[in-house]
Amino acid sequence: DSGVTQTPKHLITATGQRVTLRCSPRSGDLSVYWYQQSLDQGLQFLIQYYNGEERAKGNILERFSAQQFPDLHSELNLSSLELGDSALYFCASSVTGFNQPQHFGDGTRLSIL
Amino acid sequence: DAKTTQPPSMDCAEGRAANLPCNHSTISGNEYVYWYRQIHSQGPQYIIHGLKNNETNEMASLIITEDRKSSTLILPHATLRDTAVYYCIADNYGQNFVFGPGTRLSVLP
Repeated sequence: DSGVTQTPKHLITATGQRVTLRCSPRSGDLSVYWYQQSLDQGLQFLIQYYNGEERAKGNILERFSAQQFPDLHSELNLSSLELGDSALYFCASSVTGFNQPQHFGDGTRLSIL
Repeated sequence: DAKTTQPPSMDCAEGRAANLPCNHSTISGNEYVYWYRQIHSQGPQYIIHGLKNNETNEMASLIITEDRKSSTLILPHATLRDTAVYYCIADNYGQNFVFGPGTRLSVLP
C-alpha cells in the first residue's frame, strides 16, 4: 500500500461527458502528479502540483484540467470525453517533488463507451 | 531528462538473482536513476533510486557504473511475484518522470 488513494477505481461513461477523478496523497506529501496510461502510449505525465500551485505540465489536453486543494487532495477533470480517453489514470505524490521518489496510487480505470 | 534504454524482456529462474540493465549514456551530473515496477495494471511501485553510489534496500540493490552511463537493478532472490515490467528513469528534479517501455521480467518456476 503506497498510501496514495484514488477514487473511483472504475468509471464507465459515454462520449461527450465529463468526469472527475480524485486523489489523496500520502500523509505529509505536498506534491501531486497525474499520469495517463493507455495501451498504445504507455505511461505519460500529465501535470504536477505542489502545495496548491501548478509546477509542471506535460502532455495534458486542453479538455483536461486539474487542481490541488488546500487539504492537498487533487482532482483531475476530463471533459468532452472521446473514445481515445479510455485509459488508466494514475496519481502519484512525493514530499516536495525535488529529487525524491514518487509514490503511485492504484489508478482509476476510465472506459468511454 | 536523459533517455534510458532497457532490454524489452528478460527471463529469470525462481530463486536466482535477476539483473536488469539500464543504459543512460546521456545522463547529466545531477540526474538521479530511479527504478519502478508495474505488476499487471497496478500503480507503478517505487523500488530504489541513486545518484552515484550503489544503493541497497529491502527490495533490491542498485549498481551504478563509475561513469554513470549505465546501471543494474539486482533482485537477489527472484520470486514469481517479481514478474512485472521494470522501468528505469533518469531524472534531475523528480518531477515529470518519463517512462519508457521498460523490461518485462518473467520469473520462471
